[in-house]
Amino acid sequence: AQSVTQLDSQVPVFEEAPVELRCNYSSSVSVYLFWYVQYPNQGLQLLLKYLSGSTLVKGINGFEAEFNKSQTSFHLRKPSVHISDTAEYFCAVSDLTGGYQKVTFGTGTKLQVIP
Amino acid sequence: DVKVTQSSRYLVKRTGEKVFLECVQDMDHENMFWYRQDPGLGLRLIYFSYDVKMKEKGDIPEGYSVSREKKERFSLILESASTNQTSMYLCASSSFTREPDTQYFGPGTRLTVL
Repeated sequence: AQSVTQLDSQVPVFEEAPVELRCNYSSSVSVYLFWYVQYPNQGLQLLLKYLSGSTLVKGINGFEAEFNKSQTSFHLRKPSVHISDTAEYFCAVSDLTGGYQKVTFGTGTKLQVIP
Repeated sequence: DVKVTQSSRYLVKRTGEKVFLECVQDMDHENMFWYRQDPGLGLRLIYFSYDVKMKEKGDIPEGYSVSREKKERFSLILESASTNQTSMYLCASSSFTREPDTQYFGPGTRLTVL
């Protein structure tokens, strides 16, 4: 069975400061990894994804994430945050379970950017 | 752009009522999903479907059923709503072939059961 752990439920950070949102996963097979963002009163939208290849993945809005297989991590980073980055961020893992792809989401991290 | 729409943004129902939540996608996606989102619990999969008239239970199917009569439409049904089903419900869709496992979400329906 696969699982995703987002240890930080809330992360406050000052505007223009760097931020890292942590994500660890467990799975017995090869996985795809995702970060989704949810702005207030909206559905989730894809921020970035790792399927294969380069372990450093760049996404929209200046975010990037690094896949670390040995540490089973997929942390999300941004060098300088903006007020508009205030949102909830979900890490997700997908693998082939029982013959079909199953996506498991973490519990989410609320990023609060302080002016 | 993929568009996933949900019939209502906000819904208030009484305990025992039958509730229908509708979801429509316009990108000819094979896969459709229903999740519920609760604070501190993230997204939990209720049901999903990989084809018309096909459905599979997710992690928390109790108290729910689904219907997929057409490829673009996936309905979630609460046969007899209860207060513990008060939640945000998110529909999503994806394609087997075009973008593996990338799910596209609707805006959500916030359901309150009184």
